[in-house]
Amino acid sequence: AQSVTQLDSHVSVSEGTPVLLRCNYSSSYSPSLFWYVQHPNKGLQLLLKYTSAATLVKGINGFEAEFKKSETSFHLTKPSAHMSDAAEYFCVVSVGKLVFGQGTRLTINP
Amino acid sequence: EPEVTQTPSHQVTQMGQEVILRCVPISNHLYFYWYRQILGQKVEFLVSFYNNEISEKSEIFDDQFSVERPDGSNFTLKIRSTKLEDSAMYFCASSVSPVGGGPGGYEQYFGPGTRLTVT
Repeated sequence: AQSVTQLDSHVSVSEGTPVLLRCNYSSSYSPSLFWYVQHPNKGLQLLLKYTSAATLVKGINGFEAEFKKSETSFHLTKPSAHMSDAAEYFCVVSVGKLVFGQGTRLTINP
Repeated sequence: EPEVTQTPSHQVTQMGQEVILRCVPISNHLYFYWYRQILGQKVEFLVSFYNNEISEKSEIFDDQFSVERPDGSNFTLKIRSTKLEDSAMYFCASSVSPVGGGPGGYEQYFGPGTRLTVT
């Protein structure tokens, strides 16, 4: 069965420092992977998606993710955190329906 | 930019009552979904719907749940007799295609959610 594991339930960084949110996936074939973001009291917004075209995927708001098949990982990164990045981030695998990870809460310290 | 809308934003109901959650998917999308997120837990798939039929449902989606597309724009989730454990945020999503279909084919667009509180 397809699944994703987000390795950190909470990440805290200072504004202006890099962000790394970790995700490992389990799939019997090449997966479609996504990162969604959920700001407080808001819906789920797509940050970026991987669908086997390129292993380095660029998304909105300066976020990137790299698909590494050898490590079964799809970590989300951003070079410099902004206060507005504070939110819950979900790594997701698609099997038609979406299968969500547990989520990582990102806190940005001033 | 087109978006998925959901009403109401918050619904409070008593245990045993019926509730209907409403969604208006993006107009050219063909696949529709409901997910839920119990407070503090991950988002879970409930049901997918295509061509006026359920295409897949999870174990959560038992006989108390039903979905309908009553007209060309709305997509509804009905819970016949609510239980305390149905309290959650319910998200509607829509997509052009569930798999494949090129750029954007996999992408599901989510509404802002309806917070259901069962007392």
